[in-house]
Amino acid sequence: DAKTTQPPSMDCAEGRAANLPCNHSTISGNEYVYWYRQIHSQGPQYIIHGLKNNETNEMASLIITEDRKSSTLILPHATLRDTAVYYCIVMKGSSNTGKLIFGQGTTLQVKP
Amino acid sequence: KAGVTQTPRYLIKTRGQQVTLSCSPISGHRSVSWYQQTPGQGLQFLFEYFSETQRNKGNFPGRFSGRQFSNSRSEMNVSTLELGDSALYLCASSRDPPGANVLTFGAGSRLTVL
Repeated sequence: DAKTTQPPSMDCAEGRAANLPCNHSTISGNEYVYWYRQIHSQGPQYIIHGLKNNETNEMASLIITEDRKSSTLILPHATLRDTAVYYCIVMKGSSNTGKLIFGQGTTLQVKP
Repeated sequence: KAGVTQTPRYLIKTRGQQVTLSCSPISGHRSVSWYQQTPGQGLQFLFEYFSETQRNKGNFPGRFSGRQFSNSRSEMNVSTLELGDSALYLCASSRDPPGANVLTFGAGSRLTVL
């Protein structure tokens, strides 16, 4: 599975959009990009995933570049409750596995 | 619908003891995965069970073991506990469809080894 690179930390003002980048330059054609987040001392929470097209759900939007080598998770109106560690993970969609490789993630601090 | 349930939530053991943790997946989910989280190593994959069979295994010593029952509930066991086994142990379940596979995590079992 492809390796990902994320900035270790980011700040965002409450009410503004939070844009979290992720580089996955070795991604292959059948690998999905997943985003999870972990609020302190809780289990990770699934946010969104995508293969090629941009995706949006009630939590966030995922923008994947045309060459698929990087992506951005967008939280449109960040709140204090969005303060968490955000993990970008790349994995084959048909791998039939619950094995996720978590990196260090990005610690997002939303400030009032 | 009910989420992934892990028990116990907190426990304290002493070195040399053994511990068993339980995980009840979301109804209909057949895959159960276990993870260990420590401040130093982050989130690390332990193993995964599917249809009562271990399907994937991480790089942990044999003291860490698990099993899955016919109702998809899973247990993990750690024998001969060491101080370094103090961690948050997380369980995740998934429906295991073709294509993208989304995991739902439980709240975890926090183990302290004294």
